[in-house]
Amino acid sequence: KAGVTQTPRYLIKTRGQQVTLSCSPISGHRSVSWYQQTPGQGLQFLFEYFSETQRNKGNFPGRFSGRQFSNSRSEMNVSTLELGDSALYLCASSLATAGAGSYEQYFGPGTRLTVT
Amino acid sequence: LAKTTQPISMDSYEGQEVNITCSHNNIATNDYITWYQQFPSQGPRFIIQGYKTKVTNEVASLFIPADRKSSTLSLPRVSLSDTAVYYCLVDEDSNYQLIWGAGTKLIIKP
Repeated sequence: KAGVTQTPRYLIKTRGQQVTLSCSPISGHRSVSWYQQTPGQGLQFLFEYFSETQRNKGNFPGRFSGRQFSNSRSEMNVSTLELGDSALYLCASSLATAGAGSYEQYFGPGTRLTVT
Repeated sequence: LAKTTQPISMDSYEGQEVNITCSHNNIATNDYITWYQQFPSQGPRFIIQGYKTKVTNEVASLFIPADRKSSTLSLPRVSLSDTAVYYCLVDEDSNYQLIWGAGTKLIIKP
């Protein structure tokens, strides 16, 4: 069974630009969550999508948005990039959604975004 | 909302048993506790999950006392390859929130 894939793996953007990251979950998984990981802040939850609906959102500005398609693939978009957005962006998929009891997430390798 | 607290770092030696404790106040009866392992430049990987007493799998054990205010991940006979960051996570059943700890950097020495 193929794991979670994320594209691109590495990305360099300049301040003010926007970026779209893609995540393909494990086949059959309907939940996709996004995380931002920086050395100083650890894992920060961005949002979770389940069956094309956003179920949860973390404490991030509106510049961060996402969506999920009918095939469960998900994209996240960051507009008007800032230097502080440089981070590893991780996507995780699961069969169930948060709050459903036993809940195991499978993480992708991440997209390393550098903003200059 | 629950809050999770774990030690920032720990050291141990090959062949030892390592116990990492996570404190989590305000968790509800149905909230699950999960532990993940992360190596550099990789996404976290599921280790073990439970919500009461003790759970054991082929790589670790998870101990949760009756008051559920903490949980302990136990790694038996660690090796150098167990050097990683370990995260505890509380899955809040009532409001669908995932409360991640800040991670414990475990360094195993020869």
